[in-house]
Amino acid sequence: EVQLVQSGAEVRKPGESLKISCKGSGYSFRSYFIGWVRQVPGKGLEWVGLVFPRDSQSRYSPSFQGQITISADESIRTAYLHWSSLKASDTGMYYCVRQQYSSWSAFEYWGQGTLVTVSS
Amino acid sequence: EIVLSQSPGTLSLSPGERVTLSCRASQSVNNAFLAWYQQKPGQAPRLLVHGAANRATGIPVRFSGSGSGTDFILTINRLEPEDFAMYYCQQYGSSPYTFGQGTKLEIK
Repeated sequence: EVQLVQSGAEVRKPGESLKISCKGSGYSFRSYFIGWVRQVPGKGLEWVGLVFPRDSQSRYSPSFQGQITISADESIRTAYLHWSSLKASDTGMYYCVRQQYSSWSAFEYWGQGTLVTVSS
Repeated sequence: EIVLSQSPGTLSLSPGERVTLSCRASQSVNNAFLAWYQQKPGQAPRLLVHGAANRATGIPVRFSGSGSGTDFILTINRLEPEDFAMYYCQQYGSSPYTFGQGTKLEIK
């Protein structure tokens, strides 16, 4: 059974750094793109970016480019979303997703979400 | 960036009814790479349809998708109580991938 298990909720202050994680199991982790999707509470879904664990190739939405870094460690089957300096506007629920086959495919599996709260 | 507009914003219907949800793109979606997701409160979204018309694994046959180019439809035949939720369309044919703003399906 394919599973994506994300790290727990985080509360940080503006300017602080943060890295959240997503551990995949039940499939060949290195062979599928992993992405991240943000949902601001009560709002819609926004694609953040993706990474291909086999070669760490990554691609970002222009809305998030330069603000975050997505990476993956194939040896421990884990993908990461990292902020070096958080802003209040980064507050939201972040879901990791596994795409169906290539980077041009739907989001077939979703993690349970990690709530990130940035507040002074 | 492709903008997806979903309509209506909210629908109030009764179990057993048939519903069509619309998703219109600001430009043609490459290869009909259009997906539909269902999201219930407190849960992650779930993939219903990919490639505009292909049901995802385990999705009941009452869900069907259609469309091409800029206009796409999700149809739910004979609504079940568990179908009342938010529905989002998404295009993944061009980067950045984008989502519609969602349609809320509520019980009348």
